[in-house]
Amino acid sequence: DVVMTQTPVSLSVSLGGQVSISCRSSQSLVHNNGNTYLSWYLQKPGQSPQLLIYKVSNRFSGISDRFSGSGSGTDFTLKISRVEPDDLGVYYCGQGTQYPYTFGAGTKLELK
Amino acid sequence: QVQLQQSGAELVKPGSSVKISCKASGYTFTSYDMHWIKQQPGNGLEWIGWIYPGNGNTKYNQKFNGKATLTADKSSSTAYMQLSSLTSEDSAVYFCARNWELAFAYWGQGTLVTVSS
Repeated sequence: DVVMTQTPVSLSVSLGGQVSISCRSSQSLVHNNGNTYLSWYLQKPGQSPQLLIYKVSNRFSGISDRFSGSGSGTDFTLKISRVEPDDLGVYYCGQGTQYPYTFGAGTKLELK
Repeated sequence: QVQLQQSGAELVKPGSSVKISCKASGYTFTSYDMHWIKQQPGNGLEWIGWIYPGNGNTKYNQKFNGKATLTADKSSSTAYMQLSSLTSEDSAVYFCARNWELAFAYWGQGTLVTVSS
């Protein structure tokens, strides 16, 4: 299975600040079709996860441009700028390139 | 708008089975894979498998072979997951989620399954 390693485990941020979350995969996430199926999710307390970014850098419908994804191969980053209270929760990366699909263990974003 | 409405919480006995549902609306049910994902309390996310309601094709995480069975009813736009031979390790919240570009784009609200005697 592809192991997804997220760092850090938790992150403290001031409102209005910027943070980066890293996600590394144990194998390349480049699919045979040339696409890279790396996505990012936010799970707010008591809620279902929501999709933020798909295929490394594509923002999902309705997602603020304060969220941006980058990376390639096995090394990926989610950046959140101008952090707002509604951004707090647990962030997960996930891969849909190889079966079984797998997720990182999560990064908890908290207020400083 | 796309909505996935899951069935309510279940309290079930060890060794029994449970079937949870996910009713879809706001899109063509038969055109997108439906995934199922497990989340144990305080833990991360684990992919169980998908079903393509258009033809009933399925793909499972090998870990859940024999544990989970995915089905879909086109007439009611509802996907189902049956979990069998339940143990305490199956106590978790289970989500259905619709595919978009091999990401989980739309999620149900989750169904809590508690296995206890």
